[in-house]
Amino acid sequence: GAVVSQHPSWVICKSGTSVKIECRSLDFQATTMFWYRQFPKQSLMLMATSNEGSKATYEQGVEKDKFLINHASLTLSTLTVTSAHPEDSSFYICSASYTSGVKNFNEQFFGPGTRLTVL
Amino acid sequence: RKEVEQDPGPFNVPEGATVAFNCTYSNSASQSFFWYRQDCRKEPKLLMSVYSSGNEDGRFTAQLNRASQYISLLIRDSKLSDSATYLCVVNGVNTPLVFGKGTRLSVIA
Repeated sequence: GAVVSQHPSWVICKSGTSVKIECRSLDFQATTMFWYRQFPKQSLMLMATSNEGSKATYEQGVEKDKFLINHASLTLSTLTVTSAHPEDSSFYICSASYTSGVKNFNEQFFGPGTRLTVL
Repeated sequence: RKEVEQDPGPFNVPEGATVAFNCTYSNSASQSFFWYRQDCRKEPKLLMSVYSSGNEDGRFTAQLNRASQYISLLIRDSKLSDSATYLCVVNGVNTPLVFGKGTRLSVIA
């Protein structure tokens, strides 16, 4: 099956710093990647949808200037949490899809997640 | 009303028991339904899709009732390895996946 990796798997940083998380599709070309966030004991919440070569589409309530998403190639999307604060501490998970623009579950493959802790 | 609602549990059951989870969804236009399994500090993984006709995969049976907007998952002969959080996931056409908060299952020896 399709494999998606994330790096780093966990990160601890000081308040005010920026953190970059990478999401890679290892054995397929992902035209669409999705970024989710999950707080403890909460459901996964979609943050944004990223199509290769175009600007990401952010969900309501997600600050696009704080969570910078770049999808420069068909196998890599990055999420940068800028000026991170303790309330940004969460589990960030990406998923990748074959088909551009279609949020169809059957085509989404999840990465292992990145646990961010902001001190 | 939340889009996808699940009983958070935890459900603590002995090995070999049968356990059932329920989920309700609010959007009647929802098209696709799934159960995911999520282990602690891991990403969710697809357990099975849910069809109106019902579907079975080994010890797992999923049912969908569109009229009541209700989805269920039945696990027979529970194993210790079944301990996890089970997520109900709903999807419309060209809409994002919507995840429930999950139901925590703990199978005890």
